[in-house]
Amino acid sequence: GAVVSQHPSWVICKSGTSVKIECRSLDFQATTMFWYRQFPKQSLMLMATSNEGSKATYEQGVEKDKFLINHASLTLSTLTVTSAHPEDSSFYICSAREGGKEKLFFGSGTQLSVL
Amino acid sequence: QKEVEQDPGPLSVPEGAIVSLNCTYSNSAFQYFMWYRQYSRKGPELLMYTYSSGNKEDGRFTAQVDKSSKYISLFIRDSQPSDSATYLCAMSSGNTGNQFYFGTGTSLTVIP
Repeated sequence: GAVVSQHPSWVICKSGTSVKIECRSLDFQATTMFWYRQFPKQSLMLMATSNEGSKATYEQGVEKDKFLINHASLTLSTLTVTSAHPEDSSFYICSAREGGKEKLFFGSGTQLSVL
Repeated sequence: QKEVEQDPGPLSVPEGAIVSLNCTYSNSAFQYFMWYRQYSRKGPELLMYTYSSGNKEDGRFTAQVDKSSKYISLFIRDSQPSDSATYLCAMSSGNTGNQFYFGTGTSLTVIP
């Protein structure tokens, strides 16, 4: 299957700093990428949908100024958690939809811990 | 009513058992159906992908779609301890832009 690479796998940062998470589709062009948040033993919570070259569409309740999403190319989307606080600590996962197909491939996830 | 319903379990079976995982849905427009396996602290991995109704088999895994009943299943034969994970169903109509709808996931433990 197609490969989606997500980095870093885990990151620890101090409160007030910003953290950037990268999501790359390695062997296909991803016209759409999705960002999720997942708490322990809970399901995926969609945060935002990003289309290449367009502004991301955020789900209700997700602060767009805190969670900056950029999808500048067909193979790369980034999520920046700005001014991180301990309540932002979570597991963040990206997924990518191959252009013209209804298959979704996921990255390996990023565990963010804000001290 | 949620778009997709999935029993969260947990489900515990002995090694070698046949496992049946299920999802029901409400939107008759769904045509694309997927099953994912997620290990703890990892991203979901695509196991099975089916378009429209019917069965699809891949090794020990069989996916079934019954569109008339709005019901999909994943069967795991000869279950192994390494199958212990959370299984997510997902579906899409393909007509609503970029929307994918997920079940909440079923936690499976296969006991050696």
